[in-house]
Amino acid sequence: GAGVSQSPSNKVTEKGKDVELRCDPISGHTALYWYRQSLGQGLEFLIYFQGNSAPDKSGLPSDRFSAERTGGSVSTLTIQRTQQEDSAVYLCASSLVGRGMDEQFFGPGTRLTVL
Amino acid sequence: GENVEQHPSTLSVQEGDSAVIKCTYSDSASNYFPWYKQELGKGPQLIIDIRSNVGEKKDQRIAVTLNKTAKHFSLHITETQPEDSAVYFCAASGSRDDKIIFGKGTRLHILP
Repeated sequence: GAGVSQSPSNKVTEKGKDVELRCDPISGHTALYWYRQSLGQGLEFLIYFQGNSAPDKSGLPSDRFSAERTGGSVSTLTIQRTQQEDSAVYLCASSLVGRGMDEQFFGPGTRLTVL
Repeated sequence: GENVEQHPSTLSVQEGDSAVIKCTYSDSASNYFPWYKQELGKGPQLIIDIRSNVGEKKDQRIAVTLNKTAKHFSLHITETQPEDSAVYFCAASGSRDDKIIFGKGTRLHILP
């Protein structure tokens, strides 16, 4: 079946512009995670959605970052007034049960470059 | 919160030899320890996981060991092959929140 998809695969933007990154999780997965991976670095947790519960936003680095998950499916990560340090690969993952206790299926990521 | 340390950051082994990657975690409440493999240009993919009720798990050439007392867990790859070249991440979860915390990764090079 279809895996997790993300769009766009690459995004180049100018400093100060807003960007939206999209994630389509695997159908039926209740949990959805966003991570940031800077060059040569690990996976930095950003935000976590679990069913209809309020999202865990504790990893968002600043108030320029926000995310939504509509209808328990598609998620959008928005970065406002982008800065050069926002350049990274943004990865989305979904899992059936969530709570960090089962396999996370990752999308291929969106590579964001802020000029 | 949980903190996961992973080493080495880079590892080169001769094809056919074994590779070992080690991780430590800080929160004794963590009880789920997955390992992910990330190939170039792709998202990470789960290769093996272990829960705290067992000390070792094996799947063909891959094995993971867990020492809960010392808060250590390790990935062992035997008879390494060129396709094992990738970045490997350990992770820990199951503590007081629902987050999974990843190590910083190990870049494994299999030398011909």
